[in-house]
Amino acid sequence: SAVISQKPSRDICQRGTSLTIQCQVDSQVTMMFWYRQQPGQSLTLIATANQGSEATYESGFVIDKFPISRPNLTFSTLTVSNMSPEDSSIYLCSVSQDTEAFFGQGTRLTVV
Amino acid sequence: EDKVVQSPLSLVVHEGDTVTLNCSYEVTNFRSLLWYKQEKKAPTFLFMLTSSGIEKKSGRLSSILDKKELFSILNITATQTGDSAVYLCAVDLKGTYKYIFGTGTRLKVLA
Repeated sequence: SAVISQKPSRDICQRGTSLTIQCQVDSQVTMMFWYRQQPGQSLTLIATANQGSEATYESGFVIDKFPISRPNLTFSTLTVSNMSPEDSSIYLCSVSQDTEAFFGQGTRLTVV
Repeated sequence: EDKVVQSPLSLVVHEGDTVTLNCSYEVTNFRSLLWYKQEKKAPTFLFMLTSSGIEKKSGRLSSILDKKELFSILNITATQTGDSAVYLCAVDLKGTYKYIFGTGTRLKVLA
C-alpha cells in the first residue's frame, strides 16, 4: 500500500492569497489525483496529475485557479489561487494502486 | 453522466444497533466498488468489491455487491461509538483510474 504525506494539514488564509499543498508518495506512481471536499459534501475530483505532462482538469476546475505541478513520480503540488471563502474545503491528494485509492491526510483550508 | 448515490444521508443509532448503508451506481465501464470510512479528513479503506454476491467481511463490518441491480450495501453489526463517521462509497471506472464518490452517509452512534 502507498503512504502519502500531505502538508500542510490545515491553514487559515486571507482572501486573495494563494496556498500550495504538497503531497509526497513513498513509491513511484504514474498518476496522482487531487480532490476537494466542501463542507458536508463528498469528494470531487479536481484534476489528474501526470508526470511530464499538463494535468487533466475535471469540468468546473481550471488551471488558472488550481495550478498543479508534477515534477517527478513521487511528488505533486496543488495551488489554490486568489482564494475566496468559497474555497474553504478539505483538499486531498490520492494515488491508485491495484485499483485501490490511497489518500493523503488532507489539508483543511479556511479562507477568511 | 456517471453517478453514485448513497442512502441514507445521515443516520443516528444507539450502541449495539445494526445498520445497513446503501450505495447505488450508474456508471459506464464499472471496474470495482470501494467503501471508505472518513472520520476527520482522510478516508480509510474498508472494502473493495468486484464480483456480485460475494460477501466481504472484516470484524463487525460486511459488504456485498449486486452488479445486476447496481448496488452495494455495507452492514455494521453491534455498532460502537467509534463507528461514528462518514461512510463513502466510490466506484472505480475501468480505463480511467477515476473514482466517482457518493455523497456519503453520516453515521452517529450514541452511547
